[in-house]
Amino acid sequence: NAGVTQTPKFQVLKTGQSMTLQCAQDMNHNSMYWYRQDPGMGLRLIYYSASEGTTDKGEVPNGYNVSRLNKREFSLRLESAAPSQTSVYFCASSERGTSESPLHFGNGTRLTVT
Amino acid sequence: AQSVSQHNHHVILSEAASLELGCNYSYGGTVNLFWYVQYPGQHLQLLLKYFSGDPLVKGIKGFEAEFIKSKFSFNLRKPSVQWSDTAEYFCAVSEAYNFNKFYFGSGTKLNVKP
Repeated sequence: NAGVTQTPKFQVLKTGQSMTLQCAQDMNHNSMYWYRQDPGMGLRLIYYSASEGTTDKGEVPNGYNVSRLNKREFSLRLESAAPSQTSVYFCASSERGTSESPLHFGNGTRLTVT
Repeated sequence: AQSVSQHNHHVILSEAASLELGCNYSYGGTVNLFWYVQYPGQHLQLLLKYFSGDPLVKGIKGFEAEFIKSKFSFNLRKPSVQWSDTAEYFCAVSEAYNFNKFYFGSGTKLNVKP
């Protein structure tokens, strides 16, 4: 079972460059999420998509955009990367999008912005 | 917004020692509670969850957690740890009526010495 697949696994950007992080899930889940993980700060929600066709901001949306391309795919775009966006990014999905549904995580993308 | 506090940032134990990791949250309403584990180089995986009912919940690999509503706590326990339990542990909370909002603690790194 693939579960949640993220690409790329590693990326180095220069300040001002743009890139898109890809995420796909094969579990037919309704909701998808993007988190960033920083040392000592746990995971913080960037954006989420409760269902296909909808997206909404989380705790730390500034500097990011998202697209829910279809039910399977949810991409995160950095339009002009900044060093403060150096982090590990996790995509996650949940079955029903209710608070009882646990999150299923991808393996993460380690992004460094120089 | 909710806050989730994990008091121990780094715990070092010898094999067979008992483990208790603290987790406190700030929301006064109905919550769902989770513990996730992240093994080195891997993504987060669900360890156990509490929605309602018996406040003592059992998860995978011999872990359990107790929900104490009056203390806003959801502490993780294991009677006897193994070297393979070396990982980072995250407590997470979601509000029962505000789905898609999962709040994570900052994590506790557990090192188990063989």
